[in-house]
Amino acid sequence: GAVVSQHPSWVICKSGTSVKIECRSLDFQATTMFWYRQFPKQSLMLMATSNEGSKATYEQGVEKDKFLINHASLTLSTLTVTSAHPEDSSFYICSAKGYQPQHFGDGTRLSIL
Amino acid sequence: SQQGEEDPQALSIQEGENATMNCSYKTSINNLQWYRQNSGRGLVHLILIRSNEREKHSGRLRVTLDTSKKSSSLLITASRAADTASYFCATDVTQTGANNLFFGTGTRLTVIP
Repeated sequence: GAVVSQHPSWVICKSGTSVKIECRSLDFQATTMFWYRQFPKQSLMLMATSNEGSKATYEQGVEKDKFLINHASLTLSTLTVTSAHPEDSSFYICSAKGYQPQHFGDGTRLSIL
Repeated sequence: SQQGEEDPQALSIQEGENATMNCSYKTSINNLQWYRQNSGRGLVHLILIRSNEREKHSGRLRVTLDTSKKSSSLLITASRAADTASYFCATDVTQTGANNLFFGTGTRLTVIP
């Protein structure tokens, strides 16, 4: 079945560091990729939608200069958390859509000290 | 918000019993999907039911959809300890062009061996 690879799975870093998370669709072309954020014991909140070759569409309240999204190819999207601070600590999950249904990566746990 | 709501928030049952989770949503949908999430992991797609379908089965899973009530249910029969996870419904909403999913609040299921 369709597989989405997300890397890294866990990051611990100091405040002020920028962190890049990769999301790859391994056996299908993803015209659209989505980035979600999930706090403990809560649901997924959509952060942004990215289409290959165009600028991402951010949800209300999500800072586009803070969370940089690049979708350079049909199989790769990246999320960069710039100058991360402790309040950015969270679980970030990507998903990719070629054809129904959406397929999700395993998530990245980001811990900012 | 278009986010759905699920009940119960948490459910604890004995192995072998059936588990029923309910999901309510707010807007017209193309389809509704159920996902499973093990602790600290990404989401695994379980089943998709289209807006013109009323019931769907997959193994020990049974999903119903009532578009007039804007609600869905997920039944897991003969539960196993390995079914312990969080379960989310997600709606593919007709109004949005990108067909991003809106997730429910989730039900944390614990199956006691």
